[in-house]
Amino acid sequence: GAVVSQHPSRVICKSGTSVKIECRSLDFQATTMFWYRQFPKQSLMLMATSNEGSKATYEQGVEKDKFLINHASLTLSTLTVTSAHPEDSSFYICSARARDRGHSDTQYFGPGTRLTVL
Amino acid sequence: GESVGLHLPTLSVQEGDNSIINCAYSNSASDYFIWYKQESGKGPQFIIDIRSNMDKRQGQRVTVLLNKTVKHLSLQIAATQPGDSAVYFCAENIGDTGRRALTFGSGTRLQVQP
Repeated sequence: GAVVSQHPSRVICKSGTSVKIECRSLDFQATTMFWYRQFPKQSLMLMATSNEGSKATYEQGVEKDKFLINHASLTLSTLTVTSAHPEDSSFYICSARARDRGHSDTQYFGPGTRLTVL
Repeated sequence: GESVGLHLPTLSVQEGDNSIINCAYSNSASDYFIWYKQESGKGPQFIIDIRSNMDKRQGQRVTVLLNKTVKHLSLQIAATQPGDSAVYFCAENIGDTGRRALTFGSGTRLQVQP
C-alpha cells in the first residue's frame, strides 16, 4: 500500500518549452502533496505544498509563475515547469501525505522525474 | 523548508557489521522524525519514524534513537547487507498541522563492502 507514481520518469526538452510532471497516489487519498527538487549529491529541497482544491503554497525563492502546481483531485497533482531553462534541470520528486492512515504524518514519495533541459 | 546538502558524508562498513548513521536536527519544536533511504535515481523510501514522545523505536533490523536534549537522531542498521547501500536522509516535521512539511538533512551515503 501507499504507492505514489510519477510520470514521466525522464524527460528531455528544449530550452523555452514547458514540461508537465504528474504525481499520483495509487491506493490512497492524499490530502496534501509536496513537490521537491533535488540536485546531484544534494538533499531534497521543498518547492511547494499543495492541498486538493486550493492554491499551492510555495517556498521562499520558488517562482510560482514558473512552477505551476495543480492539485485537481485527492489522487493527482501536477507540476508544470514553464519556459524551462538548463538551470531547471534537476530531479523532481513528489510526495503525498496519506489521509486516514495510521501514520497520517508520513509522506510517501514518488520515484522522481529526471528533467534535462537542453 | 531549507536543507543543506553540499557534501555527502560517506559511511563504509563491512557486510554483516552494524551501521550507525547520525543526524542533527535544528528545530526544537519538531515533533516527528523520519528516516528515508534513497537509492540512485529513485525517490526516498520510508524506513522508520519516531515521535518526540519516544526516545527509541525498533523495526526490522533498524532502530531509531532520538535524543531531544541535544537534538540528535540516529539510525542503526543491524547486520548490514549490500542491499542497504544507499543515501540515508533524516527528516523532521516542521510546521503547523495543516502543512506538515518535511525538512531534510544533508544525507549520508552508506557503502557496504562485501
